[in-house]
Amino acid sequence: SQKIEQNSEALNIQEGKTATLTCNYTNYSPAYLQWYRQDPGRGPVFLLLIRENEKEKRKERLKVTFDTTLKQSLFHITASQPADSATYLCALDDSYGNKLVFGAGTILRVKS
Amino acid sequence: DVKVTQSSRYLVKRTGEKVFLECVQDMDHENMFWYRQDPGLGLRLIYFSYDVKMKEKGDIPEGYSVSREKKERFSLILESASTNQTSMYLCASSLAGTSGNYEQYFGPGTRLTVT
Repeated sequence: SQKIEQNSEALNIQEGKTATLTCNYTNYSPAYLQWYRQDPGRGPVFLLLIRENEKEKRKERLKVTFDTTLKQSLFHITASQPADSATYLCALDDSYGNKLVFGAGTILRVKS
Repeated sequence: DVKVTQSSRYLVKRTGEKVFLECVQDMDHENMFWYRQDPGLGLRLIYFSYDVKMKEKGDIPEGYSVSREKKERFSLILESASTNQTSMYLCASSLAGTSGNYEQYFGPGTRLTVT
């Protein structure tokens, strides 16, 4: 069956460290993978998109990798801050390209 | 500034009531989506629309219907609300084309409680 898996347990890290979040998928062949941030009680906000032919993408303190062989994306936040605390969702396009399929998200807590 | 608005932030309805959730976007986007979000399950797609009067079922359409009479407005209808439809409902929009290639813009969500 098709699955998208993100760390189900919250990730707790110290301010200033690099946070690394994982998104693994099974029985999908996505051409695109996206990451979103969601704060409590709010809708998700788009962060980054990476295409299957791109190994890595950066935006300020954010970095995303996409390994189609491992069927995995890693999302890094360098020099993390308490304001980075949120739930992070990965999403990929379904095989027909009609819609995005979302993972359940990983809660990140950055402590000062 | 890009905006997706939803008619209510919080809604409490009784079992069996007909419920309307409205979503409006001001970006002239072709695609609009309705999701529900439940703890541990992530966002699940209910319906989406890629044009006025067009709709496609998502992964969990049972018990829901939608209406898109104007490009900027996409309505979700619960014909007869049930307690298992208590959830956070999120509307989103995006440009046309392959879904994964365009970011989705989300509204603030409607937390619906059915008692």
